[in-house]
Amino acid sequence: NAGVTQTPKFQVLKTGQSMTLQCAQDMNHNSMYWYRQDPGMGLRLIYYSASEGTTDKGEVPNGYNVSRLNKREFSLRLESAAPSQTSVYFCASSEYYREGYTFGSGTRLTVV
Amino acid sequence: AQTVTQSQPEMSVQEAETVTLSCTYDTSESDYYLFWYKQPPSRQMILVIRQEAYKQQNATENRFSVNFQKAAKSFSLKISDSQLGDAAMYFCAYRYGGSRLTFGEGTQLTVNP
Repeated sequence: NAGVTQTPKFQVLKTGQSMTLQCAQDMNHNSMYWYRQDPGMGLRLIYYSASEGTTDKGEVPNGYNVSRLNKREFSLRLESAAPSQTSVYFCASSEYYREGYTFGSGTRLTVV
Repeated sequence: AQTVTQSQPEMSVQEAETVTLSCTYDTSESDYYLFWYKQPPSRQMILVIRQEAYKQQNATENRFSVNFQKAAKSFSLKISDSQLGDAAMYFCAYRYGGSRLTFGEGTQLTVNP
């Protein structure tokens, strides 16, 4: 029972480079999310997908794009990485609002 | 917009003692859910406990319990008989309806042997 799988776990980028963070869940959840975690700021929502075929901006969407490829997969793309995007990124999924989320193990991204 | 505030960036407790982590939130809704998540050094986010706002009874999970004060919009986490493995970052979170989880800033808990 894998739950939510995120890749990669660690990544170092140079300013201006692009990359895609991958996320897949095997729980047949409708909703998927991308958060970033920064010290003293908790987790902040970047984008979310309430169901297959829909995506919406969260609290901090600037500099990011997402794709809900199918019900299982939800990717996050940085088109031109900036040092301000250095963070830990979490993907999560959920089915019912009375439940919390199931989280992936996170990606530590450093932009130099 | 809903906000969640954890006013204690850091807390420490002696092994086997009890510690309480504070959380307050702001909402105009009456039916919502509150959560505490634990994040150990492994970075994995682990659900510790959940409280449904329409239930007056405080949730408990083994050594973890909450003090839910709906009128005061307060949701504190009590850890009894603290263990070294309880050392982690703890996040309080709020969710209403089909909305997304809103997290507090986190409290770093240190457990001293």
